[in-house]
Amino acid sequence: GPKVLQIPSHQIIDMGQMVTLNCDPVSNHLYFYWYKQILGQQMEFLVNFYNGKVMEKSKLFKDQFSVERPDGSYFTLKIQPTALEDSAVYFCASSLSQGGTEVFFGKGTRLTVV
Amino acid sequence: QQQVRQSPQSLTVWEGETAILNCSYENSAFDYFPWYQQFPGEGPALLISILSVSDKKEDGRFTIFFNKREKKLSLHIADSQPGDSATYFCAANGSSGNKLIFGIGTLLSVKP
Repeated sequence: GPKVLQIPSHQIIDMGQMVTLNCDPVSNHLYFYWYKQILGQQMEFLVNFYNGKVMEKSKLFKDQFSVERPDGSYFTLKIQPTALEDSAVYFCASSLSQGGTEVFFGKGTRLTVV
Repeated sequence: QQQVRQSPQSLTVWEGETAILNCSYENSAFDYFPWYQQFPGEGPALLISILSVSDKKEDGRFTIFFNKREKKLSLHIADSQPGDSATYFCAANGSSGNKLIFGIGTLLSVKP
């Protein structure tokens, strides 16, 4: 089936440093998402992105977070500066349309901030 | 505020039994309910979904029962197999929405 690829699978970073998580969405998809999952807890919506713009973001999407997808390249989540509480698994997802349509998830990037 | 609730948090069944996973929601605007299966170290994968206009959806051993009036749904896994052992997430979205709201998940263990 369609694949969402996430790079890297693991990232360890010092608190205060910048990190960029990369996502290669399904090729013909138009809507892109980032979710955050802390170990043993539920998946929480961070942000969605369409046509070059953030459509909606949650309160978890702090000012230190930003997303972009320059000209069909990777869809990225940048955190600058990182904080200890940013340690989690970040899942990228994409879908062809919105509403009741299948959303495909990547395998996640495990971010550890030390 | 927990918009999507799941129970139980963990469930153990024997191979061949039917596992029943429960989900409830609060927002009447939700009308699309996918169930995702997640194995350790993997991303969630869509298992089966239902729209609120239906009260039942079957796909092989997996069946969703949906009660719009009570805002409840359940996932039944018939003839459970050890390979079904995973975490199952109930999620919800509105037809004009573009974010999934997830429950906390049910960790299913199927014993041979």
